[in-house]
Amino acid sequence: GESVGLHLPTLSVQEGDNSIINCAYSNSASDYFIWYKQESGKGPQFIIDIRSNMDKRQGQRVTVLLNKTVKHLSLQIAATQPGDSAVYFCAENEYYGQNFVFGPGTRLSVLP
Amino acid sequence: DAGVTQSPTHLIKTRGQQVTLRCSPISGHKSVSWYQQVLGQGPQFIFQYYEKEERGRGNFPDRFSARQFPNYSSELNVNALLLGDSALYLCASSSGNEQYFGPGTRLTVT
Repeated sequence: GESVGLHLPTLSVQEGDNSIINCAYSNSASDYFIWYKQESGKGPQFIIDIRSNMDKRQGQRVTVLLNKTVKHLSLQIAATQPGDSAVYFCAENEYYGQNFVFGPGTRLSVLP
Repeated sequence: DAGVTQSPTHLIKTRGQQVTLRCSPISGHKSVSWYQQVLGQGPQFIFQYYEKEERGRGNFPDRFSARQFPNYSSELNVNALLLGDSALYLCASSSGNEQYFGPGTRLTVT
């Protein structure tokens, strides 16, 4: 399959460690955010979302943190596994807005 | 349950030709959005349709058009193809604000 994000920033972590992927967004009016995982040759996969009235939301092995003051979003993955290797995108949206704006993406590489 | 489906999976066209890409949303979802993803970048918004009406359009030329059918499936058309149109074309469906993507159609223009 083809590679997504050949020249993206890369985060390399050891299997079993925690990963933190960061994202700065641009629109102060954005009030809904989604993290997506994209594996090579596939479409983006929904991981977790958060609304602007929250600063933290937890899922299974994942946590999203939102800091509206500095317009920063992070995705934390606990006990990173080889299957977590992919490109991760944050996407921002104004509530019921027309479209999502995607960040540039970060490639997560899990080392054995 | 089936997720978002797209066809074809791969397509090779020549400059100047026209192409039609198809998308079927998740059952019950009435909104479909189209995105273009060039290698190495995040998806870029092209169109959103809701209940057969265009709700939004990104910064793409008029060569790009789309429509949504009564069953909420959608087609994206691109005329007068350019080499720069080579990309992964993604369809996403939504009900409310959550948005789910299909596997994409890989278009190569030669």
